Amino acid sequence: EIVLTQSPGTLSLSPGERATLSCRASQSLTSSYLAWYQQKPGQAPRLLIFGASGRATGIPDRFSGSGSGTDFTLTINKLEPEDFAVYYCQQYGSSSLTFGQGTKVEIK
Amino acid sequence: QVQLVQSGAEVKKPGASVKVSCKASGYSFTGYGISWVRQAPGQGLEWMGWISVYNGNTNYALNFQGRVTMTTDTSTSTAYMELRSLRSDDTAVYYCARARTGGSWFDPWGQGTLVTVSS
Repeated sequence: EIVLTQSPGTLSLSPGERATLSCRASQSLTSSYLAWYQQKPGQAPRLLIFGASGRATGIPDRFSGSGSGTDFTLTINKLEPEDFAVYYCQQYGSSSLTFGQGTKVEIK
Repeated sequence: QVQLVQSGAEVKKPGASVKVSCKASGYSFTGYGISWVRQAPGQGLEWMGWISVYNGNTNYALNFQGRVTMTTDTSTSTAYMELRSLRSDDTAVYYCARARTGGSWFDPWGQGTLVTVSS
């Protein structure tokens, strides 16, 4: 099973700042099969990024994904109030899909 | 619009079974699969498995093999997830999500179904 480790666990930032979230895989991911999701309290997760860097429909361009192999990054430029949430990465390159443990982006 | 609507909250006793439904609309149901993911209170996301709506093929996570069954009903565009031999640590919100293949991202997700296991 591929283990995904997200860092940091919590990111304290102010609106307008840039958030940089990391997701490291225990082995190289096939064809950058990595997705990012945003989850707000009491809501279901929402797809942000697929294929490491493809933005999902309706996702603002302040969200961007990058990386390959074992190291991936989600960047949120100029945080808006609605961006404060928990973010999860997910790999789908193996037959056993797994998620990272999440990074909480909180208001400083 | 593409939408997945799940059944309501359930309370079960240890040892019982639960069956959660997920009704799809706004797209060709047989053109995609459905994955199930759960989230224990205050915890992260755990993938449970995937079913192909087209041919019924399934891929269950090792943690749930032997205890979970995923099915679909194409006549009503509904997917089902049954979990048996429930334990207290099965208390969680269960989500369904559209996934084109067994190795795919999830989009969109259902609203979630809270299953509480308590004596």
